Amino acid sequence: DTEVTQTPKHLVMGMTNKKSLKCEQHMGHRAMYWYKQKAKKPPELMFVYSYEKLSINESVPSRFSPECPNSSLLNLHLHALQPEDSALYLCASSSGHPQDTEAFFGQGTRLTVV
Amino acid sequence: EDQVTQSPEALRLQEGESSSLNCSYTVSGLRGLFWYRQDPGKGPEFLFTLYSAGEEKEKERLKATLTKKESFLHITAPKPEDSATYLCAVQSNYGGSQGNLIFGKGTKLSVKP
Repeated sequence: DTEVTQTPKHLVMGMTNKKSLKCEQHMGHRAMYWYKQKAKKPPELMFVYSYEKLSINESVPSRFSPECPNSSLLNLHLHALQPEDSALYLCASSSGHPQDTEAFFGQGTRLTVV
Repeated sequence: EDQVTQSPEALRLQEGESSSLNCSYTVSGLRGLFWYRQDPGKGPEFLFTLYSAGEEKEKERLKATLTKKESFLHITAPKPEDSATYLCAVQSNYGGSQGNLIFGKGTKLSVKP
């Protein structure tokens, strides 16, 4: 099973709202990622968690706040977003072992900020 | 700077018309090169990982090859259901043990019946 599950599939939020995106995997993977993908563009890395610790933050604005409660779950908390933050948000996971680098993606959350 | 360039940006084929997609890369120590398929509004679907020059992998009508500077995704006798955007990504040896990927812009493949 190579499934990464993201919820919700679609989200519309106002600029003053607080919402969270959720991601879950049960493959025993110890590395989890958030990517952002704008229309007709490739995915861009936002955050990497390795063994539940934040290891990479690609200069993402503080209105995006990641959280990794345990090895299976990854959240992305959203607050005071801007319309230009509207995008497909993708979660991915990989084993975390240097010799096993394949990353598997979820189906994404389509976020619209109004 | 690590970089991935895919060509062509778009490719239209007739069903059964074989072709190849190109992925050129510059990376400071290649850990792996990855091919993904992405349907509109969906997450990328993993296809292949290639680690060293000369390596080849096949899956149904797809075959991926790797040299020191580029990778090709060969599509043999494509069907309409192969229509999608194909993404190439690389991982550098300097990315730590995490799988952070650098993506190309993709090739949008359309296969007409």
